[in-house]
Amino acid sequence: AQSVSQHNHHVILSEAASLELGCNYSYGGTVNLFWYVQYPGQHLQLLLKYFSGDPLVKGIKGFEAEFIKSKFSFNLRKPSVQWSDTAEYFCAVNEPAGDSSYKLIFGSGTRLLVRP
Amino acid sequence: NAGVTQTPKFQVLKTGQSMTLQCAQDMNHEYMSWYRQDPGMGLRLIHYSVGAGITDQGEVPNGYNVSRSTTEDFPLRLLSAAPSQTSVYFCASRQGNSPLHFGNGTRLTVT
Repeated sequence: AQSVSQHNHHVILSEAASLELGCNYSYGGTVNLFWYVQYPGQHLQLLLKYFSGDPLVKGIKGFEAEFIKSKFSFNLRKPSVQWSDTAEYFCAVNEPAGDSSYKLIFGSGTRLLVRP
Repeated sequence: NAGVTQTPKFQVLKTGQSMTLQCAQDMNHEYMSWYRQDPGMGLRLIHYSVGAGITDQGEVPNGYNVSRSTTEDFPLRLLSAAPSQTSVYFCASRQGNSPLHFGNGTRLTVT
């Protein structure tokens, strides 16, 4: 079964600092990769996704992620964080579910606190 | 455009009680799923459905039942609630390879 590891459970940064959140997955086949964000009190929203093509993916709000197949990684980056980026971030990877469909497996999440 | 609608938003149950968490989507999505979110554990897949009449188990299915009689609805049933089922529950849907659309969640407390 697919597993997703997010090694940083809590990250605290000051505004304008650079951000990198790690994500590693275990599935060796073709993968679809996602980063979701959950702002306090809200549901999950998609930040960005990778299906194929350019391994450097740009998402909303200045976020980007790089798919490195050899390292089974899909790290999330932002050059300069803002206070409004305070949220919990989840990496997710697809796992085949039969019938040409897939189910999404999430990592345990990383809580980011950005201090003004 | 309602998207994914979950009811209720909050629920308190006593151990042993049963209840159904409702989930409806108006986007004609084939795939629907239920997750529970617990601190430090991320989202764990409970059950999912790839279409009407088809359901399957996720990572943590024990204690939960689902059915998918229509494309729009995917209710989650707790037959005999336990304190370990205290959690926030999210329903999500998608079509094909599109990203998941999440509902606003149901916060369940079992005492």
